[in-house]
Amino acid sequence: DVQLVQSGAEVKKPGESLKISCQSSGYTFTNYWIGWVRQMPGKGLEWMGVIYPGDSDTRYSPSFQGQVTISADKSISTAYLQWSSLKASDTAIYYCARRILDSEYFNYWGQGTLVIVSS
Amino acid sequence: DIQMTQSPSTLAASVGDRVTITCRASQSISYWLAWYQQKPGKAPKLLIYKASSLESGVPSRFSGSGFGTEFTLTISSLQPDDSASYYCQQYTSNPLTFGGGTKVEIK
Repeated sequence: DVQLVQSGAEVKKPGESLKISCQSSGYTFTNYWIGWVRQMPGKGLEWMGVIYPGDSDTRYSPSFQGQVTISADKSISTAYLQWSSLKASDTAIYYCARRILDSEYFNYWGQGTLVIVSS
Repeated sequence: DIQMTQSPSTLAASVGDRVTITCRASQSISYWLAWYQQKPGKAPKLLIYKASSLESGVPSRFSGSGFGTEFTLTISSLQPDDSASYYCQQYTSNPLTFGGGTKVEIK
């Protein structure tokens, strides 16, 4: 069974750094794009970007380019989303999701990671 | 960016009702549209892809239609388990964009 298991909730202060993870199992990690989606409190879904773990090709939404870094470690089938300096407006649930092989919608999702940024 | 506009933003209907949600794209996206269901505290779940293809395991009361800029998600006979938010997503070009969501409540 395909599974995406995300790291646990985080509470951070503004200006701190953070890296959250998404561990994949049940399929060949390097063959499928993994994306990240933000959901701010009580709001809708926003696509942040995707990475192809096979060669680390990464695409970002212009809204998130320069604000976050997406990476992957093939050796442990894990994708990451990281911030160098968090802001209160980064408070949200972050989902990782796997794209299907040849198109850009997502058919498997992680359970979500809640990030709270508060002084 | 392609803007996706859903309507209505909320709706309340009775069990057994036929429910229709509309999604409009700001430019043509052919049939590159997916629909997701999200229940409170849960991750989104894929229902429909390529505008009208039903994802495996999704009940047949869900259906999608449309092409170009106008799309609909229909629930033929609303069930209590369908209480959720529904989102459309275009995947014709980056950045991928989602509609604002439709919350479906059971009367």
